Amino acid sequence: DIVMTQSPDSLAVSLGERATINCKSSQSVLYSSNNRNYLAWFQQKPGQPPKLLFYLASTRASGVPDRFSGSGSGTDFTLTISSLQPGDVAVYYCQQYYTTPLTFGGGTKVEIK
Amino acid sequence: QVQLQESGPGLVQPSETLSLTCTVSGGSINGYYWSWIRQPPGKGLDWVGYIYYTGSTHYNPSLNNRVTISVDTSKNQFSLTLTSVTAADTAVYYCARGGRSYGDYDYWGQGTLVTISS
Repeated sequence: DIVMTQSPDSLAVSLGERATINCKSSQSVLYSSNNRNYLAWFQQKPGQPPKLLFYLASTRASGVPDRFSGSGSGTDFTLTISSLQPGDVAVYYCQQYYTTPLTFGGGTKVEIK
Repeated sequence: QVQLQESGPGLVQPSETLSLTCTVSGGSINGYYWSWIRQPPGKGLDWVGYIYYTGSTHYNPSLNNRVTISVDTSKNQFSLTLTSVTAADTAVYYCARGGRSYGDYDYWGQGTLVTISS
């Protein structure tokens, strides 16, 4: 199985400041035939299902504000919130869908400092 | 707007079978991958398995052959069956749609808590 490791487990950021979440996979999720990384990011607020933020590592899902960005390739990926807003308080998960079983990172809790 | 709704018992006895159905509205089940993902209380997300609308499936091997996912395209529904359940299977169970592949879940149900207890 591909192990997804997120860091940090939690972070507190001031409103308007940058938040950066890292995700590392135990093996590459880059499909060489099409040069695409099969990595998704999700945001989960309390009592709600996860919401897709990015797929293919950096393609923003519909309706996601552009203060969110996804980057990385191979085994190392980053989710960045450029200017934290109150509504961004949530747990963020990365997930690989390069191969089965699909696996998620352990989650990163983002709070307001 | 596509909507997914899970339904099924909220309480299942240990060693019994958990059965859930996901009803898809506002769109067709045809052409997509459909998954079950679960989340134990206070913990992270675990992939259970997926089914393509044609009926082909993949399951998480960690579930030790206890899981079956089926699809009924005529009803726009897909279902989860998990046998020989234990307390470790207590979780919120979500159904979700793969938007372009089997893992980029663009639509989710609200989730249903299933508790395994006598």
